[in-house]
Amino acid sequence: DTGVSQDPRHKITKRGQNVTFRCDPISEHNRLYWYRQTLGQGPEFLTYFQNEAQLEKSRLLSDRFSAERPKGSFSTLEIQRTEQGDSAMYLCASSLTPNYEQYFGPGTRLTVT
Amino acid sequence: AQSVSQHNHHVILSEAASLELGCNYSYGGTVNLFWYVQYPGQHLQLLLKYFSGDPLVKGIKGFEAEFIKSKFSFNLRKPSVQWSDTAEYFCAVNAAGANNLFFGTGTRLTVIP
Repeated sequence: DTGVSQDPRHKITKRGQNVTFRCDPISEHNRLYWYRQTLGQGPEFLTYFQNEAQLEKSRLLSDRFSAERPKGSFSTLEIQRTEQGDSAMYLCASSLTPNYEQYFGPGTRLTVT
Repeated sequence: AQSVSQHNHHVILSEAASLELGCNYSYGGTVNLFWYVQYPGQHLQLLLKYFSGDPLVKGIKGFEAEFIKSKFSFNLRKPSVQWSDTAEYFCAVNAAGANNLFFGTGTRLTVIP
């Protein structure tokens, strides 16, 4: 499968714990995006990378959230001290500059208990 | 700020009925427009896109959408729906040159055989 992959697909954690998600984009895509989707809503932009540089962050991305893309390939999204409000589907997408089509992965569903 | 409105939250149709899903956006400049579909248990997939040129764009599976700039609309249409079209449909927009997509809240389509 040459699409965007995400790991894990589901994560259940207790409030206060740290979690990390991984995204592997389509191999030749240099742009990588993170979105969050809650029930009944469309995806909301969190941040994006061009190669290894994080170029934009949404105000939704609080200080507890950090994202990296160290070698311009896969990316990780870490949430520290999780809260129940962090429960959501975390989506990763990738695209090839200057094409604006974004291809989405299956998402990681986070449940904070 | 950009925003996208999808006024139909849940649409129920019988097979062979015609479909039109509304999408309006708010942004005064040049935009790129997208419709994504999410089938049950699957990830977001691009249905069709508009960047420039002919305002009537055709996508996969017989879907089409028309960009009407004066109305800030990008409605999705299909002349005859099938049971397999049951899914959630998201309209999305980004300002030309911008990096993140703004999504609507989605429209759930249920097609009754």
